[in-house]
Amino acid sequence: EDKVVQSPLSLVVHEGDTVTLNCSYEVTNFRSLLWYKQEKKAPTFLFMLTSSGIEKKSGRLSSILDKKELFSILNITATQTGDSAVYLCAVVKANAGGTSYGKLTFGQGTILTVHP
Amino acid sequence: KAGVTQTPRYLIKTRGQQVTLSCSPISGHRSVSWYQQTPGQGLQFLFEYFSETQRNKGNFPGRFSGRQFSNSRSEMNVSTLELGDSALYLCASSSGLSLTGGAGELFFGEGSRLTVL
Repeated sequence: EDKVVQSPLSLVVHEGDTVTLNCSYEVTNFRSLLWYKQEKKAPTFLFMLTSSGIEKKSGRLSSILDKKELFSILNITATQTGDSAVYLCAVVKANAGGTSYGKLTFGQGTILTVHP
Repeated sequence: KAGVTQTPRYLIKTRGQQVTLSCSPISGHRSVSWYQQTPGQGLQFLFEYFSETQRNKGNFPGRFSGRQFSNSRSEMNVSTLELGDSALYLCASSSGLSLTGGAGELFFGEGSRLTVL
């Protein structure tokens, strides 16, 4: 059975701290891994990673995928209170036909709380 | 451009009733996926529609069904509601291309929160 496991489940930090969120996966026919941020409403897309070892960056956020060890990390530097949210990791796998159709397998999420 | 729109945003039903939720995708998107989010199980995939055809289905009982119209709008229906169906139901749209093609990340709506009493 496909599995996506995130750690830690929750994290409390102060503004300015750097955090690392982890996502490990066990899926057959892996195609890509996505990170989302959810703040009590719609999850918003952060990154999609398909190639191992290539870091994706967006401002203070960055993410990297290790396809050999089957995990990804999401780093947030100089955290701000606005970073408080649930961070979701999701994996896309290929169907038998070789393509994937809208089906993401999500981890349980990491609840990040940033105190001023 | 307008995002994914879900209606209603909140609803309360009783056990045994049925419910229909609606989702309008981003203009030009042909794929609509539905997810159920609960505190215990997290986000779980229900089904995905593309050009009025169900292409993919999750592991939910037959009480959960959906459809897509020619304008790409989608509805999902849950019949014979159970207490455990209380959840946030999220709809997501995409272009419908393979998610590994670099053009297919999902854009989520704000969800319909269903409470079953």
